[in-house]
Amino acid sequence: AQRVTQPEKLLSVFKGAPVELKCNYSYSGSPELFWYVQYSRQRLQLLLRHISRESIKGFTADLNKGETSFHLKKPFAQEEDSAMYYCALNSGGYQKVTFGTGTKLQVIP
Amino acid sequence: KAGVTQTPRYLIKTRGQQVTLSCSPISGHRSVSWYQQTPGQGLQFLFEYFSETQRNKGNFPGRFSGRQFSNSRSEMNVSTLELGDSALYLCASSLAPGDEKLFFGSGTQLSVL
Repeated sequence: AQRVTQPEKLLSVFKGAPVELKCNYSYSGSPELFWYVQYSRQRLQLLLRHISRESIKGFTADLNKGETSFHLKKPFAQEEDSAMYYCALNSGGYQKVTFGTGTKLQVIP
Repeated sequence: KAGVTQTPRYLIKTRGQQVTLSCSPISGHRSVSWYQQTPGQGLQFLFEYFSETQRNKGNFPGRFSGRQFSNSRSEMNVSTLELGDSALYLCASSLAPGDEKLFFGSGTQLSVL
């Protein structure tokens, strides 16, 4: 069974400090990993996906198959980054997307 | 293009009652999935519908059910409500099951008293 683990419920960092939101997954095949974000009073939305190898709003995430991780990183946190972040796994085919329990990022001014 | 629409936005019910939530996907999207969001458990998958058929189901009791209509609109029903059912229920649509990008609605906030 596929599983996504986000060990931190809350992560507090100061503005300008580096951010790393942890995500580990369990899946025997080749997964597709995503990060979704939910800002206050806004809808949950896709932030980035590993297959695109993109940087969105300064965030990047690298899929490490050896460590089965997909950590979200940003070198300098901004106040507007404060939000709830969910890591998600798509095993492909007609399988459901599995979400982690989420990490609330709080950037302290 | 209109986004995913969920109605109602808020619901207050009492224990033992039943409730029906509605979701209209983005035009052209045929897959609809439902999630329960709570502060303690995060996002938990309820079920997914495609072409009026339930394709996947999460680990929720039989009190939670759903259906999808020919126009891809979906409803979920919760019977015999319990206090623990209080949560934000999110609907997401995609072109097909397993599609890499989900589009979420604003959710229905259900409070069970």
